[in-house]
Amino acid sequence: SQQGEEDPQALSIQEGENATMNCSYKTSINNLQWYRQNSGRGLVHLILIRSNEREKHSGRLRVTLDTSKKSSSLLITASRAADTASYFCATAPNTGGFKTIFGAGTRLFVKA
Amino acid sequence: EAQVTQNPRYLITVTGKKLTVTCSQNMNHEYMSWYRQDPGLGLRQIYYSMNVEVTDKGDVPEGYKVSRKEKRNFPLILESPSPNQTSLYFCASSALPDRGGAQPQHFGDGTRLSIL
Repeated sequence: SQQGEEDPQALSIQEGENATMNCSYKTSINNLQWYRQNSGRGLVHLILIRSNEREKHSGRLRVTLDTSKKSSSLLITASRAADTASYFCATAPNTGGFKTIFGAGTRLFVKA
Repeated sequence: EAQVTQNPRYLITVTGKKLTVTCSQNMNHEYMSWYRQDPGLGLRQIYYSMNVEVTDKGDVPEGYKVSRKEKRNFPLILESPSPNQTSLYFCASSALPDRGGAQPQHFGDGTRLSIL
């Protein structure tokens, strides 16, 4: 089963609004990453947050991590039509080996 | 320019006809990986490699083979493709995971396989 589960599955907002996506995971992790995918293209790395960090910022992106709840959130502020994409969280479980596990993703649609 | 290059980008083939999808990266990355993406399921890892001659199974390795004879190349082999392997495939590479965990991965543009 998937380690990361994103919520919501889909989100539609107006340009200028904030978009929040959530990710939950099952096992302990060293870090959690967020990626973006435009319509069937390859994924692009957005931000990495380590297990000893609680919050991280990058431009209009804000990521939080709560290891006690095994969850993370990605906030995109002042969204733009160009932010329309699918967003995925990815984790590498601390269970031995070096697998990467992606969630099913959140599809974000930003209306101009 | 840092790149992960996959070929072919599109392929339609028939059941049982062996095929290889190539993947090459120019970033001297140790870690390489193959994923398949199916609607509603996100990306699922097929195989990964930590370095030359070191490969390991991901979550969905059945029906696939890989090899890592050179650091830059990581081909995905379907010895006897079946219709349930119709999917969008991605190759990715990154620096070696460290004690802090996985490193950011660079992805290719994908290979859309249709197996009839």
